[in-house]
Amino acid sequence: DVKVTQSSRYLVKRTGEKVFLECVQDMDHENMFWYRQDPGLGLRLIYFSYDVKMKEKGDIPEGYSVSREKKERFSLILESASTNQTSMYLCASSLRGAGDTEAFFGQGTRLTVV
Amino acid sequence: QQQVKQSPQSLIVQKGGISIINCAYENTAFDYFPWYQQFPGKGPALLIAIRPDVSEKKEGRFTISFNKSAKQFSLHIMDSQPGDSATYFCAASSPGGYQKVTFGTGTKLQVIP
Repeated sequence: DVKVTQSSRYLVKRTGEKVFLECVQDMDHENMFWYRQDPGLGLRLIYFSYDVKMKEKGDIPEGYSVSREKKERFSLILESASTNQTSMYLCASSLRGAGDTEAFFGQGTRLTVV
Repeated sequence: QQQVKQSPQSLIVQKGGISIINCAYENTAFDYFPWYQQFPGKGPALLIAIRPDVSEKKEGRFTISFNKSAKQFSLHIMDSQPGDSATYFCAASSPGGYQKVTFGTGTKLQVIP
């Protein structure tokens, strides 16, 4: 069974802290993504990676960075957490292909910044 | 910039009724249109998908209708059941190896007995 695992379901962090969100997939997928999900705004792409050590900005990269040192692991970093980064964060992975492959999502990390 | 517009934001349907969710897109380079279903506490999961060379795709009670000229597509859930209560996202992606998917804003569906 395919699996994308996010390290935490719930996190509470203080403003200004550096926050790491970890994601691991066991499907040998080339592509990995980080989205944030907010009510009324849907899923917005923060960053994605199509290979180890490769990364591309998504639609809302400000305030975030990512790291992909191994194929199976994709980390999202909040350099200095702010209250407007309180959100649900979803990691996903997919095969590299012709554009019609399925994205597999983790269960999400609900981050609260206080 | 919202490239995929989805409506309604929420929907209440009686059991046995038809649920209809509509989406419109702007980017004519999109060539793959999946729908994802998300239950509370879970990540989204692929429900059904269509490519623009067909006007309709049906899988069980779920049907996608696609209108390429109008740049619109919709999800129809026939004989809606309480177990269909979830948030539904339409999405679109363009050709290429990255599979960057653009999602709509989501529709929260509640099917009442």
